[in-house]
Amino acid sequence: QSALTQPRSVSGSPGQSVTISCTGTSSDVGGYNYVSWYQQHPGKAPKLMIYDVNKRPSGVPDRFSGSKSGNTASLTVSGLQAEDEADYYCCSYAGSYTWVFGGGTKLTVL
Amino acid sequence: QVTLKESGPALVNPTQTLTLTCTFSGFSLSTSGMRVSWIRQPPGKALEWLARIDWDDDKFYSTSLKTRLTISKDTSKNQVVLTMTNMDPVDTATYYCARIGVGTIHFDYWGQGTLVTVSS
Repeated sequence: QSALTQPRSVSGSPGQSVTISCTGTSSDVGGYNYVSWYQQHPGKAPKLMIYDVNKRPSGVPDRFSGSKSGNTASLTVSGLQAEDEADYYCCSYAGSYTWVFGGGTKLTVL
Repeated sequence: QVTLKESGPALVNPTQTLTLTCTFSGFSLSTSGMRVSWIRQPPGKALEWLARIDWDDDKFYSTSLKTRLTISKDTSKNQVVLTMTNMDPVDTATYYCARIGVGTIHFDYWGQGTLVTVSS
């Protein structure tokens, strides 16, 4: 499978909102409501932020939200805080018991 | 509390076989519906899903790496083992194991990762 397409970087000022897109195909993002998002700080393991397109695990602030339209999923971070600065990866179930990740997006809080 | 921890060699010679162990606690791989996956990340690059093993010993592999990977489990030791044959410098990466919970399709808990460098 080919990696999902994410912008290499996005940025925003504290308090603002940013949206990260994740584009796949009808065989992955568009075919299943199993998109998840992971936050990764430098040198750390990824952390689950969103699953099943728009669900938040307990403990994840409601500033993080997810959505999907067609073959593109999105992660929105509202009320940006300094600690949100990290790399973000989308992931989609791709059928046949396999997963595909996005290339990652670096979120910079200005 | 769910924890996972990867272990294995930090340095591997080209053409050698890599063996990594994921030791976990806080859940059992004998629980119906429980699964564990391996995922890797080359330095500065994206995550790549590698393999998955299920509570019932079903196994699934990345299409592109299928011929080189073997995943197995030792339920009594709470361990999952990944072997990758014919290692190449492009396989240099941090290797993570992660849990897929019952009835879910996402990776809810991850290990800290172990960096494997392939070099002579």
